[in-house]
Amino acid sequence: KNQVEQSPQSLIILEGKNCTLQCNYTVSPFSNLRWYKQDTGRGPVSLTIMTFSENTKSNGRYTATLDADTKQSSLHITASQLSDSASYICVVTSGGGGNKLTFGTGTQLKVEL
Amino acid sequence: GAGVSQSPSNKVTEKGKDVELRCDPISGHTALYWYRQRLGQGLEFLIYFQGNSAPDKSGLPSDRFSAERTGESVSTLTIQRTQQEDSAVYLCASSLGLAGAGDTQYFGPGTRLTVL
Repeated sequence: KNQVEQSPQSLIILEGKNCTLQCNYTVSPFSNLRWYKQDTGRGPVSLTIMTFSENTKSNGRYTATLDADTKQSSLHITASQLSDSASYICVVTSGGGGNKLTFGTGTQLKVEL
Repeated sequence: GAGVSQSPSNKVTEKGKDVELRCDPISGHTALYWYRQRLGQGLEFLIYFQGNSAPDKSGLPSDRFSAERTGESVSTLTIQRTQQEDSAVYLCASSLGLAGAGDTQYFGPGTRLTVL
């Protein structure tokens, strides 16, 4: 069964600090991995997408890494801001001609003063 | 507006009633997806459309759930004889091509359904 697990479940950091969120997956065959940001009461917004051959992708202060061998990904947030407070969701797409996206349950990040 | 829109934003209904949720995707997007998100949980895939066809309905939880898409545009998700466990936020997303091929999904704000 395809699964995506994220850790930690929740995280509180001070403004200006960095943090790293983790994602482990057991999706096969692998097609791509995405990170989404979901603000409370809103739909998710895409941050990055990586295919099998990519091991890092940046979007401003967000940097995602992918290790397809160990089936792990991380999202690193640099110099956090209050507006980074949100749920960060890891999503893995299975290949083989399908269009099945498996969502993790997310890491709830809170940035405080 | 250029984004995905959903209506209503909130719906409160009584157990046993039918509800219809609407999604207007971004114009020109061929793929449309429906997800359910229960409180504090991750997104749960329900169904996706490629054009007006639904190649994958495997996520629909029961035969009380159905969806259709017309004109390669608007989609409606219908829940018949609603149950309390149907209470959730129902999210719609669209993409230019298939998300499985790497296209970006754009999500609507969701419809919050509460079944009393």
